[in-house]
Amino acid sequence: GENVEQHPSTLSVQEGDSAVIKCTYSDSASNYFPWYKQELGKRPQLIIDIRSNVGEKKDQRIAVTLNKTAKHFSLHITETQPEDSAVYFCAASPAGGTSYGKLTFGQGTILTVHP
Amino acid sequence: DVKVTQSSRYLVKRTGEKVFLECVQDMDHENMFWYRQDPGLGLRLIYFSYDVKMKEKGDIPEGYSVSREKKERFSLILESASTNQTSMYLCATQDRRFSDTQYFGPGTRLTVL
Repeated sequence: GENVEQHPSTLSVQEGDSAVIKCTYSDSASNYFPWYKQELGKRPQLIIDIRSNVGEKKDQRIAVTLNKTAKHFSLHITETQPEDSAVYFCAASPAGGTSYGKLTFGQGTILTVHP
Repeated sequence: DVKVTQSSRYLVKRTGEKVFLECVQDMDHENMFWYRQDPGLGLRLIYFSYDVKMKEKGDIPEGYSVSREKKERFSLILESASTNQTSMYLCATQDRRFSDTQYFGPGTRLTVL
């Protein structure tokens, strides 16, 4: 089955700095890669996603890059703000069949943005 | 707005008890999932269902079973609770016709004594 490794497990930055979280996956059949943000005491919510036919996707201060050859993808947050503090999870998903929608998550990264 | 609810926010049970966790959604989504969340391990898929009465094992199904008798309701069952099942349990739904996004419930923190 799919295995997703996420690094670092904790990340501490100053407000205004950039933050990068990296994930690697094992199954070359995976073709959908979402990122979820979970604020303290809240449920995870999708913040951005990318498909394997795209190398990069950006949404305001967040961006995701994908390297299919190397089987890794990264989340980039620029101009970090205290409200970006949360746990971030990457995930990978295969295409089609009865497994459609099944996500394998990384271990999570606790991001702390200091004012 | 997608609404996913779970039967309890906090639950305390004793070893050996049968435990039912329920998830209800109001958006007619086909796919429903049960995860457990543990620090340092992320979210791990226990079971998922892509239709009424259909279920598939996830990555850690041992010790759990599920039931989906109606489209809007997906139940997770711990046949005989053990202390290593103490965890946060999250339900999620997905409308596979239109989107890959999973919508999560608020979670149930289960403690097994």
